[in-house]
Amino acid sequence: RKEVEQDPGPFNVPEGATVAFNCTYSNSASQSFFWYRQDCRKEPKLLMSVYSSGNEDGRFTAQLNRASQYISLLIRDSKLSDSATYLCVVNMENTDKLIFGTGTRLQVFP
Amino acid sequence: EAGVAQSPRYKIIEKRQSVAFWCNPISGHATLYWYQQILGQGPKLLIQFQNNGVVDDSQLPKDRFSAERLKGVDSTLKIQPAKLEDSAVYLCASSLILGAWGNEKLFFGSGTQLSVL
Repeated sequence: RKEVEQDPGPFNVPEGATVAFNCTYSNSASQSFFWYRQDCRKEPKLLMSVYSSGNEDGRFTAQLNRASQYISLLIRDSKLSDSATYLCVVNMENTDKLIFGTGTRLQVFP
Repeated sequence: EAGVAQSPRYKIIEKRQSVAFWCNPISGHATLYWYQQILGQGPKLLIQFQNNGVVDDSQLPKDRFSAERLKGVDSTLKIQPAKLEDSAVYLCASSLILGAWGNEKLFFGSGTQLSVL
């Protein structure tokens, strides 16, 4: 089983739609979780950290489910500018080594 | 605030040649990372430095890849000799501190796109 798994997509959604991505991780002792965004031919940039209690930043909501070992990202009211690849990132047990998933590609169309 | 600087932006070489990439992290960032990103995949950690010491290089193919950060600031990554499968984007990232497991924000450079022919 891969350490961090994501559905590569692409997810094609119309503007205004709500879309959700999941990411599963294999190490139950992982403690840090993040979502990064990567635009085509650009470097990844931190979108948001994922806390145990869940967190929200505008149209974006991230949640953690430790029992089932997955994190999720919900995007409401999708914009064309949300089109990108969303990378799930998890730390290795008791280390600062961050493992990236393969990313989920989102394409928002008019 | 200046970001992470990388050069060159693009490099094309033939297999068996050698190549070097340079990275200058954000001023004051103690931790520096080199990632390899193959098309269609997520970034894969090659090596992680804390100041001038290596924290993790478990996925660095040491028979051909080497990296150094002699003065704890900028870093170079070298491949010698290159193989076709080394074609990828090489991303350098830095972070302020090591050990803040809940807040390890990475700042990435623009990357070096390597094509091995």
